[in-house]
Amino acid sequence: DGGITQSPKYLFRKEGQNVTLSCEQNLNHDAMYWYRQDPGQGLRLIYYSQIVNDFQKGDIAEGYSVSREKKESFPLTVTSAQKNPTAFYLCASTSTVYSYEQYFGPGTRLTVT
Amino acid sequence: AQTVTQSQPEMSVQEAETVTLSCTYDTSESDYYLFWYKQPPSRQMILVIRQEAYKQQNATENRFSVNFQKAAKSFSLKISDSQLGDAAMYFCAYRSAFSGGYNKLIFGAGTRLAVHP
Repeated sequence: DGGITQSPKYLFRKEGQNVTLSCEQNLNHDAMYWYRQDPGQGLRLIYYSQIVNDFQKGDIAEGYSVSREKKESFPLTVTSAQKNPTAFYLCASTSTVYSYEQYFGPGTRLTVT
Repeated sequence: AQTVTQSQPEMSVQEAETVTLSCTYDTSESDYYLFWYKQPPSRQMILVIRQEAYKQQNATENRFSVNFQKAAKSFSLKISDSQLGDAAMYFCAYRSAFSGGYNKLIFGAGTRLAVHP
């Protein structure tokens, strides 16, 4: 089955630690995205990547970093510089040629204490 | 910059009845796409319906239809014959049609829909 996987579903970390969220897709999509979702707010774009080895900051990139070494993978690192990292994180992908739709992964709930 | 506004944080509907969720947006672009996404308690985002701005005809997907008013920059979602499984958060989203937009989605804050039996 084609789709997007995010792991783990729940993640707990101590304040001051960096943590990496995984996102893998087997849809052969070129573009991948990371969104953050907080209660009462819509999804906000953190980073996006149109092709391998290239990515751009979204609206709330401070305290986050990404890499795109493979087409299928777009991991997100939440660094200790992110002041309020507890949130729900969603990864998405889309074909830049054939589709208008962004396909979403199941998300990772990150709790930092 | 484009913005999307959903002015109804919560809505409720009786099973089998019809409900309309509101969405307005602001843009200076002439060509774009609008979407409604559903997020059930599982938190999986599911595309409900899509509208291309250049199409005058309102999109329809089974029980879901939109009222797209381009001049008013309004994009409401109508759910007919509401079912218990329709209970979810609904997000309106905007995407530029220009390649420089990188297919980024801009989301509204969402409307939580409750369906009562």
